[in-house]
Amino acid sequence: ETGVTQTPRHLVMGMTNKKSLKCEQHLGHNAMYWYKQSAKKPLELMFVYNFKEQTENNSVPSRFSPECPNSSHLFLHLHTLQPEDSALYLCASSQPWGSEQYFGPGTRLTVT
Amino acid sequence: AQTVTQSQPEMSVQEAETVTLSCTYDTSESDYYLFWYKQPPSRQMILVIRQEAYKQQNATENRFSVNFQKAAKSFSLKISDSQLGDAAMYFCAYRANAGGTSYGKLTFGQGTILTVHP
Repeated sequence: ETGVTQTPRHLVMGMTNKKSLKCEQHLGHNAMYWYKQSAKKPLELMFVYNFKEQTENNSVPSRFSPECPNSSHLFLHLHTLQPEDSALYLCASSQPWGSEQYFGPGTRLTVT
Repeated sequence: AQTVTQSQPEMSVQEAETVTLSCTYDTSESDYYLFWYKQPPSRQMILVIRQEAYKQQNATENRFSVNFQKAAKSFSLKISDSQLGDAAMYFCAYRANAGGTSYGKLTFGQGTILTVHP
């Protein structure tokens, strides 16, 4: 695997379910990000991790719970989501001092 | 707070022709990066080109070039000799290069959908 990978690519879940999104980067980066991409809206930054420490929480509801066990892996745990949480969730990585972020293919989440 | 505005929700171009996508931004910082990202229908976001604010020379990557006007806070993307594979959503993005809480954060514009006609 190269670059940034995300699993699953598609996820359908009910409002009472608990699921997790996984992101893995193979670029040796130390910063990882979660973004939400909704239709007709700019990408919204959700969380930032630098060297496994959360450095940014962009007022994200607590039903989204991130986890960064090491610099290569990032998870987004989901529970009791709402239909308006349906979106494409993108993971990205970079060097903390680097300019470019590299994105994964995203997970298309549908909440029913 | 930094904002990025793409005023063209959709653009179209004929194959082999040139198209320019517009982007303006607002910041009080003097040291920052600007980017254009491409998101094809397959959804993988790909970096197209980046510009460092302290460099006066406009960045170029093959058929892609930018017109960076720092005083006007304008950052347009020109695609020359357009190809069918250029069809995608294009996002302009800003990143401060200073320390502090905004360090590393990308602020994106709303995106421009580019259609390429054969």
